[in-house]
Amino acid sequence: AQSVTQLGSHVSVSEGALVLLRCNYSSSVPPYLFWYVQYPNQGLQLLLKYTSAATLVKGINGFEAEFKKSETSFHLTKPSAHMSDAAEYFCAVTQTGANNLFFGTGTRLTVIP
Amino acid sequence: GAVVSQHPSWVICKSGTSVKIECRSLDFQATTMFWYRQFPKQSLMLMATSNEGSKATYEQGVEKDKFLINHASLTLSTLTVTSAHPEDSSFYICSARDVLSYGYTFGSGTRLTVV
Repeated sequence: AQSVTQLGSHVSVSEGALVLLRCNYSSSVPPYLFWYVQYPNQGLQLLLKYTSAATLVKGINGFEAEFKKSETSFHLTKPSAHMSDAAEYFCAVTQTGANNLFFGTGTRLTVIP
Repeated sequence: GAVVSQHPSWVICKSGTSVKIECRSLDFQATTMFWYRQFPKQSLMLMATSNEGSKATYEQGVEKDKFLINHASLTLSTLTVTSAHPEDSSFYICSARDVLSYGYTFGSGTRLTVV
């Protein structure tokens, strides 16, 4: 069985501050992990994905995430928050041979000017 | 990159009528597409998985006769909400899986309002 847990349904940061969104996964086999961003009334846009290559994954818009097997984590970070980063962020997991993604409950990021 | 086009972006319909939502993969072939429903401020709930040329697989609790899914080609899947009622009002999102890149690309979503 696979699942992801996103700690913190709401995260607020000041503009220019570090962004850290947490995601822990559960998977009985090596997982594939994803981070998506969703702006209001829009679909999901892929930020980055881990598919068993490098453990530090760089994505779009300055985001990156590190796969840590020992901690079963895949936290999303960005060194300096921009106002345009305010959105809903979803972590998702799947595995080789599986079909669909399993989503976390999402984290709403607010950026304070 | 991979693009999935979803139409319409929003639709308002009367109770009892049917609404069709289209999901197209524009630059890749998608043997598998997914349909999600999202309630306000909540995560995505998988409704069904559609495979090209075969019947869709519905998640538990999703009425297959109400939410008709057709995946007749490698680039098109449709979701038809039949005899819509106000409780069907929601945000519906499709996703297509690109087996070559192991990517999941999402459509822009459809806001359905049933009045």
